[in-house]
Amino acid sequence: AQTVTQSQPEMSVQEAETVTLSCTYDTSENNYYLFWYKQPPSRQMILVIRQEAYKQQNATENRFSVNFQKAAKSFSLKISDSQLGDTAMYFCAFKDDAGGTSYGKLTFGQGTILTVHP
Amino acid sequence: DSGVTQTPKHLITATGQRVTLRCSPRSGDLSVYWYQQSLDQGLQFLIQYYNGEERAKGNILERFSAQQFPDLHSELNLSSLELGDSALYFCASSVAPGFSTDTQYFGPGTRLTVL
Repeated sequence: AQTVTQSQPEMSVQEAETVTLSCTYDTSENNYYLFWYKQPPSRQMILVIRQEAYKQQNATENRFSVNFQKAAKSFSLKISDSQLGDTAMYFCAFKDDAGGTSYGKLTFGQGTILTVHP
Repeated sequence: DSGVTQTPKHLITATGQRVTLRCSPRSGDLSVYWYQQSLDQGLQFLIQYYNGEERAKGNILERFSAQQFPDLHSELNLSSLELGDSALYFCASSVAPGFSTDTQYFGPGTRLTVL
């Protein structure tokens, strides 16, 4: 079974600075997908960014980028120019590309609470 | 707004009762997923439906059941409720799990409180 680990329960950053959230995962699959979701105080789950394991290029979405290291099974999220609205819980998630009983489901890490200070 | 709707937003009930949570997927999405978010268990996958058929099951309790209807909306039924069932229940939808671009979009959740 796949596991996802976020080793930083809490992080904080000053507004306009850069912060990196860590995520590692364990899988025996070769093809899979990785995601970062954001959960602000409203509790809504919002997709931040996704990465396909077969793509070597790191995904980027505006101020959000990832550092995907497939061999190390590492998938970190970098937030540049942090804004107050980035304050939220961030979840790393894994989805495999296989069939069977795990088809399509997301496996989440424990989450990292990020606080952006003015 | 993700386009996924869930009702009700909040539900307060007593132990032993039964409740039904409803989810309408985004237009065009065929697959629906249910997740439970609790303080002690984190975010856990419960069950997935695709075009009306059950496709995958997670650690869903036998007291819980779900279905997806012909119009693709889904319902999660929770019965013989216990205090530990108090949680935030999310529904997510996607086009189809087999597509490489498939991404799950989440509804706003239903907050269930069992007293």
